[in-house]
Order: sequence, then structure tokens, then C-alpha cells
Amino acid sequence: GDSVTQMEGPVTLSEEAFLTINCTYTATGYPSLFWYVQYPGEGLQLLLKATKADDKGSNKGFEATYRKETTSFHLEKGSVQVSDSAVYFCALSVGNQGGKLIFGQGTELSVKP
Amino acid sequence: EAGVAQSPRYKIIEKRQSVAFWCNPISGHATLYWYQQILGQGPKLLIQFQNNGVVDDSQLPKDRFSAERLKGVDSTLKIQPAKLEDSAVYLCASSFRDRELDTQYFGPGTRLTVL
Repeated sequence: GDSVTQMEGPVTLSEEAFLTINCTYTATGYPSLFWYVQYPGEGLQLLLKATKADDKGSNKGFEATYRKETTSFHLEKGSVQVSDSAVYFCALSVGNQGGKLIFGQGTELSVKP
Repeated sequence: EAGVAQSPRYKIIEKRQSVAFWCNPISGHATLYWYQQILGQGPKLLIQFQNNGVVDDSQLPKDRFSAERLKGVDSTLKIQPAKLEDSAVYLCASSFRDRELDTQYFGPGTRLTVL
């Protein structure tokens, strides 16, 4: 079945460091791919998305490129801030499944000043 | 614009008791989802409604879980009787339609602890 695998956390970085969180997926169709973020004490919110191969999603300095050949959607940011500390979830949705999201297990990011 | 509302935020019950969670989606959103998020895992879909009809309940443990969305607006998820493994955060989300590109907006969740 369809699934998403993320790199294990927690990830601890110093402020201004480069961030990569790996995400790979398995899907029977042609999925859309998403990154959601959950800040402490808040609900999940959409960070960025990409709908087809080679699309790049971007928001708040974060980027992820839909790589069909490697079935990956890695999240990157060039310079993290303390305020980026959160749990990040990679997810997919396949068009014929009514919008249902399938999530990875989440990666906790902690940024130290 | 008001977000997705959920209540209660926290609930502690003993096993074999029953519990109910309530969700009010964003106004005008036809699609409503209930997800279960066990500690250390990503959310997993339990049930999806389109207006007041069920679209997908394939992962809902129907012997103990039930959900309804009678007027196509707010929704209730019930567990009866609860088991220890039901301890989780229950998330409600809504979207304008049921298309894959329609952004899902999540509520704050209800954290359930079963003792």
C-alpha cells in the first residue's frame, strides 16, 4: 500500500545551520506530496506542497522538490531559526482516494541559539 | 476566518468507559476528516465525510468506534468501550472539497488518555 518514510528524529541544529529532513514514499498512483508542520501547542498546518514530478514547493524559506526517479521529497532550509523548532510531517495524497493524507512518522527539529 | 474547533482538548478515562469528541469544521467546508495520532507516529485516517455521507471508513474499528455528521456541519466521534491502545490525539480536519489539492485545515486535537 501507499506509505511515507521519514528520517528519524530528533534532529538538533544550531541557529543558521542548514537543514535537510529526508522523506521517501511508495505510491501506486501519481501522488501529490506535502510537508506539514506542528509547532509546540498548535495544530498541524500545511507548510508546502508539490503536485507533479520536478515541482518545487516553497514557503517560509523551506523548499522541497518532487523527485519521481528517487521517490523522494526532502525538506531543506538554508538557515534555520529557533522559531523553526517543531515536528515536521511528510505526507502524500493520491488523486483517486478522496483527498486522504498518508503521513510519515514525523521528525522533531530542535534549533538551539 | 475561524479555524477548526475541537472539544474537549484533553480527556482521561478508564478502559471500558465511553468517550465522545466533537468537531466543528471551517464554515463552508464540505469534507471532514478524523485522524488518530498515536505518540511517535504520524496521523492515520479513521473516517472521511463528504457533507453528511461517509466516503472512507476503512480504517475505523467499527466494533468500538462510531462517527456521525448528521447535518453536514459538525461531527462527533465516539469510542465505546475504550481500550488502552486508544490513547492518542484525535485530530479533526476539514477541506473545501475532497480533492487531493484542497488544503486540509487541522484543529488542535483532543488528547485521550485511557487508564
